Amino acid sequence: EPEVTQTPSHQVTQMGQEVILRCVPISNHLYFYWYRQILGQKVEFLVSFYNNEISEKSEIFDDQFSVERPDGSNFTLKIRSTKLEDSAMYFCASSSQGVYEQYFGPGTRLTVT
Amino acid sequence: GDSVTQMEGPVTLSEEAFLTINCTYTATGYPSLFWYVQYPGEGLQLLLKATKADDKGSNKGFEATYRKETTSFHLEKGSVQVSDSAVYFCALSEEDDKIIFGKGTRLHILP
Repeated sequence: EPEVTQTPSHQVTQMGQEVILRCVPISNHLYFYWYRQILGQKVEFLVSFYNNEISEKSEIFDDQFSVERPDGSNFTLKIRSTKLEDSAMYFCASSSQGVYEQYFGPGTRLTVT
Repeated sequence: GDSVTQMEGPVTLSEEAFLTINCTYTATGYPSLFWYVQYPGEGLQLLLKATKADDKGSNKGFEATYRKETTSFHLEKGSVQVSDSAVYFCALSEEDDKIIFGKGTRLHILP
């Protein structure tokens, strides 16, 4: 069964460093998403991406964040200068029909020290 | 804004017990409602969904009915198994494409 994959599973970085979280969506999907979950809190929407551009972003998704689909398979989330409060689990998701059938990856745990 | 509230966990039950996890929502329009499940070490999986009032979503023995009058979407299962141990998330989406999640309820099933 096709699945969304994410790498790395755990990333440790120092405050102020840039990190890139990688996702490989399901191959025929057209809509891509990033969510995050700070430990003990709810899963929060960050950004959605369709047709090579951002379709919606939350207030969390400020200028420090960017997304890119550099080739036909990868979908990346970049944080330019990480802060302690960026420590969270980051989930990538993809869908072929919009919101009703989003498939989630296993997540990347980002720890900022 | 839109929000989802679900019962605090953890919930601990014995195998074959009846399960209810309460979920209520606040929305400005007519959202679609979802339950997602996260097994240990895995990602979020869509468990079931309902797209309009009075719809019942069901999967793997779990059920939830979209109740517009009480703005609820409670998850139920008649007889839980140890393999149902996981974190369950209630969620909604309106016409835009983001999903809004509740905080999650951790379920422990004892053999």
